[in-house]
Amino acid sequence: AQRVTQPEKLLSVFKGAPVELKCNYSYSGSPELFWYVQYSRQRLQLLLRHISRESIKGFTADLNKGETSFHLKKPFAQEEDSAMYYCALRDTGKLIFGQGTTLQVKP
Amino acid sequence: DGGITQSPKYLFRKEGQNVTLSCEQNLNHDAMYWYRQDPGQGLRLIYYSQIVNDFQKGDIAEGYSVSREKKESFPLTVTSAQKNPTAFYLCASSIGLSSGANVLTFGAGSRLTVL
Repeated sequence: AQRVTQPEKLLSVFKGAPVELKCNYSYSGSPELFWYVQYSRQRLQLLLRHISRESIKGFTADLNKGETSFHLKKPFAQEEDSAMYYCALRDTGKLIFGQGTTLQVKP
Repeated sequence: DGGITQSPKYLFRKEGQNVTLSCEQNLNHDAMYWYRQDPGQGLRLIYYSQIVNDFQKGDIAEGYSVSREKKESFPLTVTSAQKNPTAFYLCASSIGLSSGANVLTFGAGSRLTVL
């Protein structure tokens, strides 16, 4: 069955430290993956998608088909990165979301 | 101002009552979705609709119903059969089905509390 797993409920780092939010998926086919973010008191919004191979707000994510992973990385965390992050997988006209990881960046 | 409007923002219901959550979009999107957001469980798909007059069940459709009579509207009814309806409900829309077009725009959400 198609599934997205985010193993960490909470990730707490200090400002300036590297960040890696983990995402693993299970999918029979060529996956299309996304990261969505929800800042405090804001709507859930797209952060980035693997097909674009882009860097948004310093974040990048590489699809690793061998490890079935799509981890989100940033070399130097900022306080404004504190938010809830969801990994998502496209599956025949809909998105399947992971459980979400709260990133807390401490000053 | 284009986007998705969900109403009401907060809703209280007594056990045994049905309640309908509204979702309207003016983005001219074909596809619309309802997700339920619970702490520690992420977003779970309730129902989705790829085109007017058609919709499909998601992973947790039991106790919910929807309609899609107009492109811009996708109301969700939480029925008395839903065993644990207290939750935060998110509506979303997207351009359509094609790969790369499945980027969701979300509403602000509706919080339902059953008393």
